[in-house]
Amino acid sequence: AQKITQTQPGMFVQEKEAVTLDCTYDTSDPSYGLFWYKQPSSGEMIFLIYQGSYDQQNATEGRYSLNFQKARKSANLVISASQLGDSAMYFCAMNPSGGYQKVTFGTGTKLQVIP
Amino acid sequence: DGGITQSPKYLFRKEGQNVTLSCEQNLNHDAMYWYRQDPGQGLRLIYYSQIVNDFQKGDIAEGYSVSREKKESFPLTVTSAQKNPTAFYLCASSFRRQGRNQPQHFGDGTRLSIL
Repeated sequence: AQKITQTQPGMFVQEKEAVTLDCTYDTSDPSYGLFWYKQPSSGEMIFLIYQGSYDQQNATEGRYSLNFQKARKSANLVISASQLGDSAMYFCAMNPSGGYQKVTFGTGTKLQVIP
Repeated sequence: DGGITQSPKYLFRKEGQNVTLSCEQNLNHDAMYWYRQDPGQGLRLIYYSQIVNDFQKGDIAEGYSVSREKKESFPLTVTSAQKNPTAFYLCASSFRRQGRNQPQHFGDGTRLSIL
């Protein structure tokens, strides 16, 4: 069974600063994928970034980057130049076995950006 | 535009009543999912379906039922056996294999409350 752990229930960051949201995972599968989603207060889930376990480079999507440390089983999300619109819940998620299995979500981190 | 439509946005259930949440997608996705989210919590999988006329229980299926008669539709019934149904329900869909350009796409959710 796979497990996702997000140890930061809430975080604050100053506008225009960078912030790192932590995610550790546990799986025995050699092949897996890691996702990050954003959930604003309105409730919809927005896909941000993906990292495959065999990817040679860390994933980047605009202001989002994923600090993937396979040996430590961590997949931290880095948001650069924070904006007020980044205030939301952020969820780390994983699916094993080449992508055909169900996704497991972490409990989330609530990020608040301060002007 | 392609997407996932959940209805209604808000739903109230009386004691002993079954209610059905609608989820429709036009993304041509094979797989569909139902999640429950309690305040301040992550997403927990209720049911998922990889193909039409087939579905599997997730982690918290008791008190819920689903059907998958059409590729586009995956309704969720919250039965009277679910004693604590108050939550935010999210429907999602994806291709059977999830990966870099194939994450789950989510609807806007339904908030269910007990009268």
